[in-house]
Amino acid sequence: TQLLEQSPQFLSIQEGENLTVYCNSSSVFSSLQWYRQEPGEGPVLLVTVVTGGEVKKLKRLTFQFGDARKDSSLHITAAQPGDTGLYLCAGPSGGSYIPTFGRGTSLIVHP
Amino acid sequence: NAGVMQNPRHLVRRRGQEARLRCSPMKGHSHVYWYRQLPEEGLKFMVYLQKENIIDESGMPKERFSAEFPKEGPSILRIQQVVRGDSAAYFCASSPSHPDPRNEKLFFGSGTQLSVL
Repeated sequence: TQLLEQSPQFLSIQEGENLTVYCNSSSVFSSLQWYRQEPGEGPVLLVTVVTGGEVKKLKRLTFQFGDARKDSSLHITAAQPGDTGLYLCAGPSGGSYIPTFGRGTSLIVHP
Repeated sequence: NAGVMQNPRHLVRRRGQEARLRCSPMKGHSHVYWYRQLPEEGLKFMVYLQKENIIDESGMPKERFSAEFPKEGPSILRIQQVVRGDSAAYFCASSPSHPDPRNEKLFFGSGTQLSVL
């Protein structure tokens, strides 16, 4: 099983601050996905990164896939309270196509 | 709303009872995944099904747990003789086609929170 380690586990910041969360593995992934999960709801897909070095932007969110396809980062600019949630990275495990999830980064943005 | 529908949202059972969790995938989706989420462990894969077939059940405990996705009707995750350790949020996700890691999009339901007393 390819493990995805996410850091930090918890992050509490003030509105307007920037932040970066990380997703790391010792294994190569063909793709990685980022999801956001709000309390009491299921995860919602934000983005899929496929190519090593790829950068994707979604409004104030910037996603990067490492050159070696072993890691990914999510950077949020000028965080807002609406960004509060659990950010999960996921990727296909071993020879399977089934997504394996990291434990997530729990983000709280205070007004 | 054509999203993934799970019911019930909350289910309370006493030890030894059976729990049946239902999942209706998005319209047009024929692939269903079940995950279990605990606060300290994150989302753990349990089983992947297509209509009338279990494709991968490598994450599902060998005893007391079973899943089905019949030709008609929702997918069912069944837990027999529940124990307190079964308490968790159970999420169902669906996808439209054969999983392709480059294009896979999982659409999740809102989950069923199972509490075992």
